[in-house]
Amino acid sequence: DVKVTQSSRYLVKRTGEKVFLECVQDMDHENMFWYRQDPGLGLRLIYFSYDVKMKEKGDIPEGYSVSREKKERFSLILESASTNQTSMYLCASSPDTSSYEQYFGPGTRLTVT
Amino acid sequence: AQSVTQLDSQVPVFEEAPVELRCNYSSSVSVYLFWYVQYPNQGLQLLLKYLSGSTLVKGINGFEAEFNKSQTSFHLRKPSVHISDTAEYFCAVSDRGNDMRFGAGTRLTVKP
Repeated sequence: DVKVTQSSRYLVKRTGEKVFLECVQDMDHENMFWYRQDPGLGLRLIYFSYDVKMKEKGDIPEGYSVSREKKERFSLILESASTNQTSMYLCASSPDTSSYEQYFGPGTRLTVT
Repeated sequence: AQSVTQLDSQVPVFEEAPVELRCNYSSSVSVYLFWYVQYPNQGLQLLLKYLSGSTLVKGINGFEAEFNKSQTSFHLRKPSVHISDTAEYFCAVSDRGNDMRFGAGTRLTVKP
């Protein structure tokens, strides 16, 4: 079974802090994704990566950056956390661009106070 | 650009009753369609997918969905629901591997 893990289930940070969310997948997948999930809005893509050190912006990249130094790990960085970034963050991976199924981690619920 | 509309934000239903969760999509090209389920405090799990072939797709936990190209719909159905089906359900569409669009979600609540 594909396993996607996220470093924290719950996180509380203060406004202005730098926040790192980590995601690791164990199936040698090419693609990795970061989404945020908000009630009534579904999932919105922040960034995705199709290879090590490669990244592309999704629909809502403002206020976020990402890092993919190793194939199995994809990090989401909030340079200066703000209260409007309080949300559920979901990481996903997929084998390659010909595979349309994404496998999700359990999510990190981030609260910025 | 592709998009997904889930027509009901909440669906309450009694145990053992049938249920239909509605999903409409828009896309200018061939699409691939998915239903995901999210149980409380968990990530998303794939229920079923339509890539090609038969328009009636069967998934896990007794769910099925029908792809209707003329009506641009992909409704999810189950003939008899259980308490354990209480969850949020997301419809998603993709026309290429890296671009998946999700609906806003439908919260299914199964009552005893």
